[in-house]
Amino acid sequence: QSALTQPASVSGSPGQSITISCTGTSSDVGGYDYVSWYQQHPGKAPKVMIYEVTDRPSGVSNRFSGSKSGNTASLTISGLQAEDEADYYCSSYISNNTLYVFGTGTKVTVL
Amino acid sequence: QVQLQESGPGLVKPSQTLSLTCSVSGGSISSGSYYWTWIRQPAGKGLEWIGRIYTSGSTNYNPSLKSRVTTSVDTSKNQFSLKLTSVTAADTAMYYCARLVAAGLYFDYWGLGTLVTVSS
Repeated sequence: QSALTQPASVSGSPGQSITISCTGTSSDVGGYDYVSWYQQHPGKAPKVMIYEVTDRPSGVSNRFSGSKSGNTASLTISGLQAEDEADYYCSSYISNNTLYVFGTGTKVTVL
Repeated sequence: QVQLQESGPGLVKPSQTLSLTCSVSGGSISSGSYYWTWIRQPAGKGLEWIGRIYTSGSTNYNPSLKSRVTTSVDTSKNQFSLKLTSVTAADTAMYYCARLVAAGLYFDYWGLGTLVTVSS
């Protein structure tokens, strides 16, 4: 099973908004609302930022929001801050024996 | 606060078996609301789901690794384990254990990770 497709890098200036896309198929992203997003700082474990497409865990800033249209999910970071500079991965349930698939990862750079 | 911590050898010889344990604190591994999973990440690369185990012992594995992977759970110690046989250099990676929320199918708590290098 191939990984979900994300842009390799996205950048923005402090205060701006950026959006990261995550493209899959009707067997994963498009077929289920089990898309989650993870933030990973260098040398650290991933941290869930969004689950079930749009929900935010307690303690995660409301500057992070998620959405989905068709086979593509998106993570938007508004009011970009220096601390948001990290790698971001999407993940989805997939209706085959693989069960879970991650995205290729996006490096977010705050200019 | 739930915490997970991986433990095991950091160096494994080619063709041998990689064995890791994840110790869970701050919550019971017997809770029916979660799966317990293993995920790995080669240096500079993306995340790969390895497998999951439920408190009952029911398992599911990534088909790409299924022939070499075994997971188990020890509820008395609040731990679960991973065994990966016949390892090669391609299995060199940071290995994470994580808790998977059954209702929403997302990984809510992760261990810090343990680096396993396959080399002679």
